[in-house]
Amino acid sequence: QKEVEQNSGPLSVPEGAIASLNCTYSDRGSQSFFWYRQYSGKSPELIMFIYSNGDKEDGRFTAQLNKASQYVSLLIRDSQPSDSATYLCAALTLGSNYQLIWGAGTKLIIKP
Amino acid sequence: DADVTQTPRNRITKTGKRIMLECSQTKGHDRMYWYRQDPGLGLQLIYYSFDVKDINKGEISDGYSVSRQAQAKFSLSLESAIPNQTALYFCATSDLGLAGANVLTFGAGSRLTVL
Repeated sequence: QKEVEQNSGPLSVPEGAIASLNCTYSDRGSQSFFWYRQYSGKSPELIMFIYSNGDKEDGRFTAQLNKASQYVSLLIRDSQPSDSATYLCAALTLGSNYQLIWGAGTKLIIKP
Repeated sequence: DADVTQTPRNRITKTGKRIMLECSQTKGHDRMYWYRQDPGLGLQLIYYSFDVKDINKGEISDGYSVSRQAQAKFSLSLESAIPNQTALYFCATSDLGLAGANVLTFGAGSRLTVL
């Protein structure tokens, strides 16, 4: 069974601090990884994706991938109350007909 | 107008009733998906379609059926709704290409309650 695991949280972070969200995956064949943000009652929206080992930065967001450890993370710098949401991690494996395997999400709360 | 439109946004129905959730998109994407989301759980794929003539079952297709009426339209049906189908349903689209194939654009969701 291919799995993507996330701590459900909630993760509470003070405003202005760095929020660190983690995700592990079981299938070593997974090649690309996606982070989506979902506000309560709303639909998921893509933040960023990563497929190479190392870091990928986009504004206040940095995705980190370590394929040897099967670990993906999302760092949010200078956290704002508007970052409070559930963050979904998803993995793509070519053998799965390009379908995503989703984690259950981590609820992030940014405290003013 | 939204790129991916779902109707109805909310529906309350009774056990045994037939329900259709509709999805239309203006993104011009070939790939369309139906997902289900339950509280505390990740998104579960019900059905997906890579083009009008290609429809595939996802991980939880039992009790559901779909119709791809056109490139822009993808409908989900519950032939005989049951209470454990109470959930939030999302339609999504994506474009071709390795990474692009999974950059999903979601509709606003359809909240279904089966009594």
